Amino acid sequence: KAGVTQTPRYLIKTRGQQVTLSCSPISGHRSVSWYQQTPGQGLQFLFEYFSETQRNKGNFPGRFSGRQFSNSRSEMNVSTLELGDSALYLCASSLVSSSGSTDTQYFGPGTRLTVL
Amino acid sequence: DAKTTQPNSMESNEEEPVHLPCNHSTISGTDYIHWYRQLPSQGPEYVIHGLTSNVNNRMASLAIAEDRKSSTLILHRATLRDAAVYYCILRDSNYPTPLVFGKGTRLSVIA
Repeated sequence: KAGVTQTPRYLIKTRGQQVTLSCSPISGHRSVSWYQQTPGQGLQFLFEYFSETQRNKGNFPGRFSGRQFSNSRSEMNVSTLELGDSALYLCASSLVSSSGSTDTQYFGPGTRLTVL
Repeated sequence: DAKTTQPNSMESNEEEPVHLPCNHSTISGTDYIHWYRQLPSQGPEYVIHGLTSNVNNRMASLAIAEDRKSSTLILHRATLRDAAVYYCILRDSNYPTPLVFGKGTRLSVIA
C-alpha cells in the first residue's frame, strides 16, 4: 500500500498570504490528523477529521482550518500567515474506529512551510 | 492528558541493547502506552504499544512495570538507523484522542 502523501513538500510564502496544504491518507483510512512541528514548541496537534467531520481540535487560532473530503483526502488552510507559522506540517492517517485510541497513526513526510 | 517523563538524550553503541525509560505516574487504568519515533527529516513512525503486559514486535519490546507507573522501550540491537527521537505517549482507550507529544528522548547510536 502507498503511504501517506503530502503536497507540496516545500513552500515559501510571505506574511499575510494564505496557504493550503494537502494530505492523501493510506487507502481505507478514514481518520486524518494534522500536526505542527517547530523547534520551539515541538509536535503539536492541530485537528483531526473522521468521515468528513472534525472530531478533535487543538489549541490553535481560527486562522488554521481544515476539511476532509468524501474520499478521506484532507486539506488544511492557514490564512493571514505570520512568521511564527513557519514549521513542518505533518499529516497522519489511521484506520479507526469510532472510538478508542489504540489505532496506529501513520505519518506523511510533512510539508515544510517557510513564511518570509 | 496524563503526562510522561523521559530523559532528554541517551547514547548507545551499535549492536548493543538500548533501554529507553518513561515515567507516567498519573496513568489511568484505561491509558495505553504508545511509543513513536522520529528519524531525522521524517515524520514520526509507530514503534509499539501496550496496556499491562509486556509486548514484543519486530522493531522492539515494551516492558511495563507492574504498577504501570513506568515503562521501558527495549531495542535489542541498536543500529545506526535507530538514531531518532523516541516519544512515549499515553492514550485513553475510551476516547478518540490525538497523540500528545512531549519532548521525547534523542537517541544517538555510535558506530
